[in-house]
Formats: sequence, structure tokens, C-alpha cells
Amino acid sequence: DGGITQSPKYLFRKEGQNVTLSCEQNLNHDAMYWYRQDPGQGLRLIYYSQIVNDFQKGDIAEGYSVSREKKESFPLTVTSAQKNPTAFYLCASSIVGAYNEQFFGPGTRLTVL
Amino acid sequence: KQEVTQIPAALSVPEGENLVLNCSFTDSAIYNLQWFRQDPGKGLTSLLLIQSSQREQTSGRLNASLDKSSGRSTLYIAASQPGDSATYLCAVRGAYNQGGKLIFGQGTELSVKP
Repeated sequence: DGGITQSPKYLFRKEGQNVTLSCEQNLNHDAMYWYRQDPGQGLRLIYYSQIVNDFQKGDIAEGYSVSREKKESFPLTVTSAQKNPTAFYLCASSIVGAYNEQFFGPGTRLTVL
Repeated sequence: KQEVTQIPAALSVPEGENLVLNCSFTDSAIYNLQWFRQDPGKGLTSLLLIQSSQREQTSGRLNASLDKSSGRSTLYIAASQPGDSATYLCAVRGAYNQGGKLIFGQGTELSVKP
């Protein structure tokens, strides 16, 4: 059963903590993406990766970091430098190429306590 | 800078009605446009992808059209059902975007009343 999984579904962070959100896909896609969704706003791109061991900043990368050590996995770390991390985080993947469809995971809701 | 707008922000219709959701974008240089559905607290489900060279795509009761020159797309839902209640998002892949970034509209929240 192919798809994208994200964990945990809910995550709570204290001030000054770093937290890591997991994203795994078994679709054999080379490209993976992290988006952030805030109430009343559209999704915004945080980071993306088109190949293992390489990734690029998106529009709102400050306060976040990623790694891409395996094709299937693209974890996102929300660092203490991110001043307003409370949001819904969505991971996506696609085949590399201009015309390809993106598929999304179920999301992780992060709340700062 | 590409901007995507969806109107209306919310829509309530009785069951069985045919309806149209609108999406407009400011830069016609796009590779494709995708329509998504999002249920509350859930991820996005891809409904339809229209390539820049295509005029429309159909899937079941859904039909999406694309007029690239005017920067518009519509999602037509036939014979709406309460199960269609969700937020519908459109997103464009710009021709000058690196890495496949999608630019999203803010969505239309649809409620279909029994």
C-alpha cells in the first residue's frame, strides 16, 4: 500500500526545544517537500529535496533544518530559532520533473506550549 | 510574483446542486495546476492535475478546466453530496520555479447540506 506517512500526528513543543517531524514515503519518488499551513493562509514551502544528500531552501526556511540521507525519508527539525512554529506541517513527494503531480501525507500539528 | 486566489472563500449549497469553484493566478507561465481536497485536520488529497497544454480533466463527478491565457481555472462538481463537504485548494507549478514548488490559493470551504 503505497503512500506517505508522517509522525507524530500531534506534537507539543516547549519554548527553546528543538523537535523533529518524520516523513516517509514508499512511492519511489525522488523529490520530497515540506510545507507549512497556517489558518486562513495557503500552504508555504519550507524546504525541498530532489535527490539524496541534497536539499534547497523554500520561501520560509528560517528556523528549520532538514536532512535527506535516504530516498524514502525527509525529516524536518523545527529549531528554537523558529519564533512562531505553531502550525500544521505537511510533507509531499513527487517524481522529479516539471509536469508531475505532488502527493501529500496526513500532516503533523505542532503546538508550542 | 505568482499569486493564486480562490473565490468564494466559503460556499454552502443544498445536496444535488451542481457547483463551480474558481481559481485565478497572476502569471500564466505555469507547468500545471492541481486541485486538492482537504478534510478538517487532514492532509491534502489530489483530485485533478491539468497540464499547461490541456484544457480540462475529468474524474467522476469532477471536471476541472484551465484557461492559461486568462489565468483561470474552475472545478465543477456535479450532483453535490454531503460527503463533498471539505476545503478545496488549487495550486500552480510555475514555469520558473525551481524544484517543483507549488503556489497555493487559500481555499474554498464547501458545505453541502442534506
